[in-house]
Amino acid sequence: AQSVTQLDSQVPVFEEAPVELRCNYSSSVSVYLFWYVQYPNQGLQLLLKYLSGSTLVKSINGFEAEFNKSQTSFHLRKPSVHISDTAEYFCAVSETGTYKYIFGTGTRLKVLA
Amino acid sequence: GAVVSQHPSRVICKSGTSVKIECRSLDFQATTMFWYRQFPKQSLMLMATSNEGSKATYEQGVEKDKFLINHASLTLSTLTVTSAHPEDSSFYICSARDLLRGSEQYFGPGTRLTVT
Repeated sequence: AQSVTQLDSQVPVFEEAPVELRCNYSSSVSVYLFWYVQYPNQGLQLLLKYLSGSTLVKSINGFEAEFNKSQTSFHLRKPSVHISDTAEYFCAVSETGTYKYIFGTGTRLKVLA
Repeated sequence: GAVVSQHPSRVICKSGTSVKIECRSLDFQATTMFWYRQFPKQSLMLMATSNEGSKATYEQGVEKDKFLINHASLTLSTLTVTSAHPEDSSFYICSARDLLRGSEQYFGPGTRLTVT
């Protein structure tokens, strides 16, 4: 059965510092991988996704994630964070062909001034 | 494109009453819709998967008689919480999948249900 692990429940970081949010998954078949961001009392917004092709994917607001098949990871990075990046970040995995998403427990990113 | 709406965004109901939440795909046809539940500061848990014109498939531990799901058209799915109790208070999020767009799910903004 597939599962998703986000090891860090909270990550405090100062503004303009780099950040990495970790995501590991387990699956016996090929997967699609997603990062979503959730602001308080709002739904999920897709940040970026890996479906196939280049293992490095980037978002329009400076985030990037790299699919590492050997390490079964899909860590999210940003070289310089802003106060507005403070939010909850969820990693999700979907086994190809099933269409179901399994979410990690989320990482609360808190950017400090 | 690929916008999903939910109505209402927030609802308060009394214990024992039923409440209906709507999930609509605004600019695409959703062959499959998903309903999730999120407790405070926790992750999303899939409750059920609904395909247009057929019965929903519920995840283990989810009471199908309590959480009624109807997916009557390609743009609308409804979740009815019957005989609601305070422990049903939660954030309910739907998502929709467009067969033509592949396997990606598009999420609605969520509905905050409070049962008093």
